[in-house]
Amino acid sequence: QVQLEQSGAEVKKPGASVKVSCKTSGYTFTTYGISWVRQAPGQRLEWMGWINPKNGNTHYVQNFQGRVTMTTDTSTTTAYLELRNLRSDDTAFYYCARLFCAGGCFDDSWGRGTLVTVSS
Amino acid sequence: SYDLTQPPSVSVSPGQTASISCSGDKLGYEYVCWYQQKPGQSPVLVIYQDRKRPSGIPERFSGTNSGNTATLTISGTQTVDEADYYCQTWDTKSELGIFGGGTKLTVL
Repeated sequence: QVQLEQSGAEVKKPGASVKVSCKTSGYTFTTYGISWVRQAPGQRLEWMGWINPKNGNTHYVQNFQGRVTMTTDTSTTTAYLELRNLRSDDTAFYYCARLFCAGGCFDDSWGRGTLVTVSS
Repeated sequence: SYDLTQPPSVSVSPGQTASISCSGDKLGYEYVCWYQQKPGQSPVLVIYQDRKRPSGIPERFSGTNSGNTATLTISGTQTVDEADYYCQTWDTKSELGIFGGGTKLTVL
């Protein structure tokens, strides 16, 4: 079955970077996109962007442009999210999800989330 | 930027029908999907392409989308349906997803 296993919780200081991994299995990695969504404690879901593992093309939400990099490793079917210059308001759960596109796109399988805490 | 508006909360009695709206300009021209998120858990897709249910999602979940409003309907609501529900659409210009603000469904 489709699985997305995310790396463990991280605690970072303001200004640092974090890299979250998302190991996928159970499907052909290059057939679907990988999206990244975050959720601050008690807040709404927030789209960050997505990557096409087939060609490495990325699409980032403007709010994260310049601070975020999404990559994939097709040899290990793993996706990565790097967020730089962390601030306290980046404290959130970060989810990876399999993105299926057919006249519009949606996330049909999700990882369990990685809690990133930014604190001095 | 494009906004999707959901009511912050909806309450329903067990066995009754719950309706959660999601409004956006000309939303009916775009596909909408819905996610259910229970406390401490990841979101789960319950409706995609306006009205389709993924395998494993109970038939009591249904969706419509027309004009400026998409609606998630839960018929015969059960206590296990208590959760936050998010609508989402796709911005074809930016090729990015857009979430609504979420609706907390209370079953009591």
